[in-house]
Amino acid sequence: GDSVTQMEGPVTLSEEAFLTINCTYTATGYPSLFWYVQYPGEGLQLLLKATKADDKGSNKGFEATYRKETTSFHLEKGSVQVSDSAVYFCALNRDDKIIFGKGTRLHILP
Amino acid sequence: DTEVTQTPKHLVMGMTNKKSLKCEQHMGHRAMYWYKQKAKKPPELMFVYSYEKLSINESVPSRFSPECPNSSLLNLHLHALQPEDSALYLCASSPVGLHYEQYFGPGTRLTVT
Repeated sequence: GDSVTQMEGPVTLSEEAFLTINCTYTATGYPSLFWYVQYPGEGLQLLLKATKADDKGSNKGFEATYRKETTSFHLEKGSVQVSDSAVYFCALNRDDKIIFGKGTRLHILP
Repeated sequence: DTEVTQTPKHLVMGMTNKKSLKCEQHMGHRAMYWYKQKAKKPPELMFVYSYEKLSINESVPSRFSPECPNSSLLNLHLHALQPEDSALYLCASSPVGLHYEQYFGPGTRLTVT
């Protein structure tokens, strides 16, 4: 079945460092791909999405490109801030369902 | 308005109680979802409603009973829960169809004593 694999956390970085969180997927067909973020004590927020191969999603300085040849959707940000500390979920949609990766906890140190 | 609201924010209930969680959205979405999220885990899908009809039940125990009274509201009725049901319960909504993202509410933190 369809699945999403993302790097295990926690990931700890200093402020202004470059961020990459790896995500790969297994799916039949052409799902849409998403990154969701969950701040402490809150629900999930959509961070960005891509609906077809080579699409780049971007938001709040974060970017991810839908790479069909490597079945990947890695999340990147050039300069992280303390306020980016959260849990990040890579996900794909399949019919009426969203399939989530296990989540990557990110800690940014001032 | 891209907001999904959930009430209550926190709920503590005994194993013999009956309670309900409520979810509301005014984005015109015709698909609504209930998820359960345990600490340090991704959300787990429980139920999907499409056009106010239950379309997916992920083998959820009958002590959880969903209801969709209209296109804006979604309820989750709780009865005779177990301590292991303590979790964050998230509601989400989306347009019906492929490639749409889901919009999540802030969740209800449920504790079963």
